[in-house]
Amino acid sequence: AQSVTQPDIHITVSEGASLELRCNYSYGATPYLFWYVQSPGQGLQLLLKYFSGDTLVQGIKGFEAEFKRSQSSFNLRKPSVHWSDAAEYFCAVAPSGAGSYQLTFGKGTKLSVIP
Amino acid sequence: DAGITQSPRHKVTETGTPVTLRCHQTENHRYMYWYRQDPGHGLRLIHYSYGVKDTDKGEVSDGYSVSRSKTEDFLLTLESATSSQTSVYFCAIGGPTGLAGNTIYFGEGSWLTVV
Repeated sequence: AQSVTQPDIHITVSEGASLELRCNYSYGATPYLFWYVQSPGQGLQLLLKYFSGDTLVQGIKGFEAEFKRSQSSFNLRKPSVHWSDAAEYFCAVAPSGAGSYQLTFGKGTKLSVIP
Repeated sequence: DAGITQSPRHKVTETGTPVTLRCHQTENHRYMYWYRQDPGHGLRLIHYSYGVKDTDKGEVSDGYSVSRSKTEDFLLTLESATSSQTSVYFCAIGGPTGLAGNTIYFGEGSWLTVV
């Protein structure tokens, strides 16, 4: 069975600082990979996804993620954090080649931003 | 935003009563999903559907049933609600369509409290 680990439950960064959120997955092959963001009381918004090809993926709101097969990782990065980025971030995987996208989520990383 | 509407958005019910949550989509997508979100667990798949009358179980399906009689509607039923089913429920749509950019989109969530 596939699994997703987000090692950091809570991260606090200063506004303007760089950010990296970690995500490691366990799966027999290369899965489809996603990052979602959730603001309090809201649904999930897709930041970016990786299906194949270029291992550096650009997303919305200035985020990017890099797929590293050798490390089974898909870390999310942003060069300069804004106060509005404070939210909870979820990494998710889906089995590649399957007939549906049954996502397995990590437990999330809550990001706090200090002005 | 993807055309996903969940109802009700908030509900308080008593233990042992039946509850039905509705997900309505306007995207005519084949795949629909129900997830639940609980603190410290991220999101977990309850059931999913790959077409009208075609459904299957997810990771945490015990105590839940689903139905899909029309492409646009996916119903989640708690036959006899228990306190452990107090959660936030998210509907999602999306999956492999053969089109570039296909992905999963989430609704705004339904907050259910079982007392």
